[in-house]
Amino acid sequence: GQQLNQSPQSMFIQEGEDVSMNCTSSSIFNTWLWYKQDPGEGPVLLIALYKAGELTSNGRLTAQFGITRKDSFLNISASIPSDVGIYFCAGRSGAGSYQLTFGKGTKLSVIP
Amino acid sequence: EPEVTQTPSHQVTQMGQEVILRCVPISNHLYFYWYRQILGQKVEFLVSFYNNEISEKSEIFDDQFSVERPDGSNFTLKIRSTKLEDSAMYFCASTGESSYNSPLHFGNGTRLTVT
Repeated sequence: GQQLNQSPQSMFIQEGEDVSMNCTSSSIFNTWLWYKQDPGEGPVLLIALYKAGELTSNGRLTAQFGITRKDSFLNISASIPSDVGIYFCAGRSGAGSYQLTFGKGTKLSVIP
Repeated sequence: EPEVTQTPSHQVTQMGQEVILRCVPISNHLYFYWYRQILGQKVEFLVSFYNNEISEKSEIFDDQFSVERPDGSNFTLKIRSTKLEDSAMYFCASTGESSYNSPLHFGNGTRLTVT
């Protein structure tokens, strides 16, 4: 099946620093989504991307849909303690399929 | 903001028992999904449901699993005879009418523990 390679697996950063994480795939996706998951809760949608090359912001978060449609990145600027959590990328290939393929997640720790 | 709600939040069952996990999707959504997440691993697709039938399912969704929309608001996942490896968080999700361009909204999940 399709796989998403998400990196880094974990990050420890100082409060105030910027963060970048990305996902790559060997196959094309028509939709890229970024979710955040807090312990014991479901994934919460952060940003949705629908067009190759699209750059979208949501507050301090910025995500881009790669031109090749095989990658996406998420940036968090000026991190704060509540940014702690696990960030997942997810892609939908389209072509009659509604299912999302998830990356393995990036665990973010913010040191105050 | 409308939410997907799931009950129970935690279910403990013995191996071989049947369990039913319940979900109330967002009211005007038409596409419904179940995903699962084994502890410490990524979220995996199980099944999608539209117009009262399964539209897609993964290899994980074998004959032990079934889904149902028994009324206009609930969407259930049944595991007929649970196995130890079914222990996981199960997430329900829903999307609006045009699912290709509608992001999934997840519930908070049901933690299933099979002993």
